Amino acid sequence: EADIYQTPRYLVIGTGKKITLECSQTMGHDKMYWYQQDPGMELHLIHYSYGVNSTEKGDLSSESTVSRIRTEHFPLTLESARPSHTSQYLCASSGQGPNIQYFGAGTRLSVL
Amino acid sequence: DAKTTQPTSMDCAEGRAANLPCNHSTISGNEYVYWYRQIHSQGPQYIIHGLKNNETNEMASLIITEDRKSSTLILPHATLRDTAVYYCIVRVAGGNTGKLIFGQGTTLQVKP
Repeated sequence: EADIYQTPRYLVIGTGKKITLECSQTMGHDKMYWYQQDPGMELHLIHYSYGVNSTEKGDLSSESTVSRIRTEHFPLTLESARPSHTSQYLCASSGQGPNIQYFGAGTRLSVL
Repeated sequence: DAKTTQPTSMDCAEGRAANLPCNHSTISGNEYVYWYRQIHSQGPQYIIHGLKNNETNEMASLIITEDRKSSTLILPHATLRDTAVYYCIVRVAGGNTGKLIFGQGTTLQVKP
């Protein structure tokens, strides 16, 4: 079992609120990722990091931001949530060698 | 990264082998074939990967054609819990970012 944790699992919030989705892994992986997935749709990479103090935007444009101050922690922040941000957000990490990514259980975000 | 083509959906009887095909005719010599699955919008789960030899682990077998233009994931004795979306992904191993691009995948329905 992968040791990667996301909190909260579910979040319902009003428009305009600032939120932070937490992602932590205990495997010492350098690379971490955030994906966004709408129900029944494809996963899209929105952010990734290949080490401390490195962050890059993914293939899908997102208004969210990320930080990587510690190896094990890769939080995602929305400064002002909007209904269009309603989605599932999945965090993953991978180590050296093959691209085997380990995923968290995801956070389902609903913005009213 | 090479593009992959998978059938949109497949059915399989419980207890029978499930054979999931994937075409990747533009695969490069240093690109691996990875398989992941996603059960009911949980985080994707790594299954298996290979370069050119057939591979087997406790979950599945991966058969790659000699020209590497296609592959088949085999679940030898499918159970109802194998119902999921299966993703075939082609890319180089390692590298700085380790990004994976998830397409539509194949929805496998295992029926009693």
